[in-house]
Amino acid sequence: DTGVSQDPRHKITKRGQNVTFRCDPISEHNRLYWYRQTLGQGPEFLTYFQNEAQLEKSRLLSDRFSAERPKGSFSTLEIQRTEQGDSAMYLCASSFGGGGSLIQETQYFGPGTRLLVL
Amino acid sequence: ILNVEQSPQSLHVQEGDSTNFTCSFPSSNFYALHWYRWETAKSPEALFVMTLNGDEKKKGRISATLNTKEGYSYLYIKGSQPEDSATYLCAFYSGYSTLTFGKGTMLLVSP
Repeated sequence: DTGVSQDPRHKITKRGQNVTFRCDPISEHNRLYWYRQTLGQGPEFLTYFQNEAQLEKSRLLSDRFSAERPKGSFSTLEIQRTEQGDSAMYLCASSFGGGGSLIQETQYFGPGTRLLVL
Repeated sequence: ILNVEQSPQSLHVQEGDSTNFTCSFPSSNFYALHWYRWETAKSPEALFVMTLNGDEKKKGRISATLNTKEGYSYLYIKGSQPEDSATYLCAFYSGYSTLTFGKGTMLLVSP
């Protein structure tokens, strides 16, 4: 399977604990995105990488959240000191950006990591 | 803050019915409109990327139209099947680095 994979698929944690999620994009894709979806909402943008550079972060990404893409391949999203409001589906997507324009780019999504903070 | 609205929120149809739903988006700074289908426990699947006013795209029994001047897109499913049951998401691209999604239309097709 050459699609986007995410690990774990489900995570239950206690408030105050740290959690880390991993995303493996489609291998030739240079762009990687993280989104969060809460109940009743559409996916909301969190952050975006082009290769290893983190180019944009949403205001939703508080200082408890950090994302990395160290070698321009897989990415990790860490949440420190989790809160109940962090409970959500965390989606990763990747795309291939050839010339700077994202107009026609299709983002390919992984199945998501569902986080429940007790 | 960009406002992308989808209606209806949910829809229940019988197998064989044709159906359609709406995505409304800002008519200014339009670059592209994406449609995705998201089945439970699976990855969201890209259906269409639409960029031109009047554009119409088709994939099997699913088609979509685009009106950028008035800021809406319709998604049509002809002869719905139970396997079409999913949440259909639209996402608006305004020239920045990311997509702004609507809340989705949840479709249930009963046999």
